[in-house]
Amino acid sequence: SAVISQKPSRDICQRGTSLTIQCQVDSQVTMMFWYRQQPGQSLTLIATANQGSEATYESGFVIDKFPISRPNLTFSTLTVSNMSPEDSSIYLCSVATGSQETQYFGPGTRLLVL
Amino acid sequence: ELKVEQNPLFLSMQEGKNYTIYCNYSTTSDRLYWYRQDPGKSLESLFVLLSNGAVKQEGRLMASLDTKARLSTLHITAAVHDLSATYFCAAQAGTALIFGKGTTLSVSS
Repeated sequence: SAVISQKPSRDICQRGTSLTIQCQVDSQVTMMFWYRQQPGQSLTLIATANQGSEATYESGFVIDKFPISRPNLTFSTLTVSNMSPEDSSIYLCSVATGSQETQYFGPGTRLLVL
Repeated sequence: ELKVEQNPLFLSMQEGKNYTIYCNYSTTSDRLYWYRQDPGKSLESLFVLLSNGAVKQEGRLMASLDTKARLSTLHITAAVHDLSATYFCAAQAGTALIFGKGTTLSVSS
């Protein structure tokens, strides 16, 4: 299993600003992912955070808006840039620890953009 | 493109009765996941199903997978209030998970 922590747990931000979310895992993992869950909705994958190389983004998400860092096998950051109210969501970090195991999710960061 | 559909989206259950949630996916997938989410909380992993015919059970919940029909079911036996939550299925596409819209369960006595 994996224990995942995220910072901040929640934030209220003004439009046009940026917020960086941190994800820390208690063990080394190969795969780290960032998901978004808009209010009352399901989860959508933003990108896969690759250690030592650029993140792989899903359709509809771009690096300029959601830059991601992955400096080592236990840590990643997601930045939400130039925020607008439409970015108000829960942002979740997820990791895959092994081929036979599930994917684990962090507690999420609840973001409200005014 | 892999798509995942769950039904029903809402389920009002009576205590003690049995219910089933269905999860269909559109293309071949390596594995199928079930998660539970309580209001204001993150996702709790319930099951991961790896092969055709896989069946897993935990307490009052039992999940199964039919890869030929591209269908997974989550069966609830003798519903109790503690099971009230939103349940998501997710199918794996490469390394990513594609989620269904979720099924919100409400159990009343």
